[in-house]
Amino acid sequence: KNQVEQSPQSLIILEGKNCTLQCNYTVSPFSNLRWYKQDTGRGPVSLTIMTFSENTKSNGRYTATLDADTKQSSLHITASQLSDSASYICVVTLANSGYALNFGKGTSLLVTP
Amino acid sequence: DAEITQSPRHKITETGRQVTLACHQTWNHNNMFWYRQDLGHGLRLIHYSYGVQDTNKGEVSDGYSVSRSNTEDLPLTLESAASSQTSVYFCASSERYPGLNTGELFFGEGSRLTVL
Repeated sequence: KNQVEQSPQSLIILEGKNCTLQCNYTVSPFSNLRWYKQDTGRGPVSLTIMTFSENTKSNGRYTATLDADTKQSSLHITASQLSDSASYICVVTLANSGYALNFGKGTSLLVTP
Repeated sequence: DAEITQSPRHKITETGRQVTLACHQTWNHNNMFWYRQDLGHGLRLIHYSYGVQDTNKGEVSDGYSVSRSNTEDLPLTLESAASSQTSVYFCASSERYPGLNTGELFFGEGSRLTVL
């Protein structure tokens, strides 16, 4: 069973609008959660990492939130641009593990003019 | 600038043939990984290495092998390609263990393999 669920699976928004992507996980004990952006035909690139003690972290127009109690994270994109069109992947790490990353299936975002 | 490169970017092969995908990184990272990405699945770990001469199996390692003879390279070999191995393959490296807060993965551009 996938321990990281992302929603929605896909999303289409108009340029300039805001959107929020969700990541729910059951991984326990939790170590950290990363959001990666994957442009079409490219490899994923890290946007931000959330640790257990962090609630909010921003990276430009991207803001990630974490609620460790409910095991939920969100990625909010403000004033979307065409270049935000990509797949966004949530990755949760099990505590005390070396390589054990749990990947979500990603949310595909399309920003239209 | 340091980087991670994969080759070939696209390959078509026939069932039963041996295929090797190359991965080369110039960050001098000890940790290297191979993932496959398929529709309907998240990235899945095939093999990984924490240093020269070290290799380990991931969750989908059947039919694949790797070798690590130096820090920079981790080639992925499909011993006898099968149609189920049609996929996009990503190589990644990290300075720290990827589970650590500082363990960011740096991915290559991917290799799209089609097995007919």
